[in-house]
Amino acid sequence: DTAVSQTPKYLVTQMGNDKSIKCEQNLGHDTMYWYKQDSKKFLKIMFSYNNKELIINETVPNRFSPKSPDKAHLNLHINSLELGDSAVYFCASSQDGTLMRKLFFGSGTQLSVL
Amino acid sequence: QKEVEQNSGPLSVPEGAIASLNCTYSDRGSQSFFWYRQYSGKSPELIMSIYSNGDQEDGRFTAQLNKASQYVSLLIRDSQPSDSATYLCAVRDYGGSQGNLIFGKGTKLSVKP
Repeated sequence: DTAVSQTPKYLVTQMGNDKSIKCEQNLGHDTMYWYKQDSKKFLKIMFSYNNKELIINETVPNRFSPKSPDKAHLNLHINSLELGDSAVYFCASSQDGTLMRKLFFGSGTQLSVL
Repeated sequence: QKEVEQNSGPLSVPEGAIASLNCTYSDRGSQSFFWYRQYSGKSPELIMSIYSNGDQEDGRFTAQLNKASQYVSLLIRDSQPSDSATYLCAVRDYGGSQGNLIFGKGTKLSVKP
């Protein structure tokens, strides 16, 4: 049983397109995150949701819009994709968004914008 | 700008040796520190967490914290080729967004048989 699952694993698309990445966790956690890992392996938080409410929204272009229909799901929609959006996007969850003792990561989505 | 600094490596050690990975952080108020291991093409996984000064041991892994020096390290004893990975130091953002982990850029470790 996969704890945090995200789809698709690979996403290749053209500049200007709109795409979505889906994430689901079956751990019963309250908090979910989106992280971006660039080509230099730098992992940086983008968004965090706690019980469907946005609690962290770092400096991310508004072309990126997260949506959490329930606390087990956090999807990421990206409009008007740009070359610089190419990266690996990781979904993660934790039991408590405040303590954040352990993050459980999904397997990542490799986004390539051509 | 809060920062977590790591030597990107690669750090190469022979099998059976002790690997020492280091990390410094800029926010003096930080309280929670983590080491994540990331194999190539895989997602990060937590291997150690430490919250108070001193050493925290778990099997072959020891995390060390010195808040006065704003320094945290990870020692891997009896290094194995399977330990070859990138090790990410992470610090909880204490004063800013709650629940945010600030990651270093990682140190790539290579253990040679």
